[in-house]
Amino acid sequence: DAEITQSPRHKITETGRQVTLACHQTWNHNNMFWYRQDLGHGLRLIHYSYGVQDTNKGEVSDGYSVSRSNTEDLPLTLESAASSQTSVYFCASSESVGFSYNEQFFGPGTRLTVL
Amino acid sequence: AQKVTQAQTEISVVEKEDVTLDCVYETRDTTYYLFWYKQPPSGELVFLIRRNSFDEQNEISGRYSWNFQKSTSSFNFTITASQVVDSAVYFCALSEALDSGYALNFGKGTSLLVTP
Repeated sequence: DAEITQSPRHKITETGRQVTLACHQTWNHNNMFWYRQDLGHGLRLIHYSYGVQDTNKGEVSDGYSVSRSNTEDLPLTLESAASSQTSVYFCASSESVGFSYNEQFFGPGTRLTVL
Repeated sequence: AQKVTQAQTEISVVEKEDVTLDCVYETRDTTYYLFWYKQPPSGELVFLIRRNSFDEQNEISGRYSWNFQKSTSSFNFTITASQVVDSAVYFCALSEALDSGYALNFGKGTSLLVTP
């Protein structure tokens, strides 16, 4: 069955370190997204991609970067981790069919703690 | 700017009660989609429904039903005869048109607790 996976599921790091969170989907979806979830804020969009070599900034992109070298993967990098980036991170993907806004399928999430 | 408001932060009901989760949205798009997602205590996000702006028919799926009213910009979700397994955080989301496609703009969620 097609799926979307994230790794690691839990990560503890120190302030200032570079961290990369992996996202891999086997749906063959063109669209991929990264969100962060914080208490009282719901889910907020960090970065998104509509295809290979395409990346775009979302609402809360400062301090984060992504790259899309193939259809299946969209890794999220925290260049220099800060305590404010302690959060649960969700990756999602969706199918592109014209301008139909299809549902997004979410990965299981990565809980990141920055000490 | 797109906006989704879920005014109810937490709701607590006793099993078998009916419960309605409210969702009010703001958008300037003429074509848009609304979604509901469920996040159980295990943490994953589960897609429940997608509704486009041209379809105002109510939707029923088992104990779940959705009421879309364009006139009041609302897309409310009702669980009939609630069960303990319905305990979760429920998110309403609105499609947001971006330069090359779209993303989802989420409300802050409503935490539903169903007690035996």
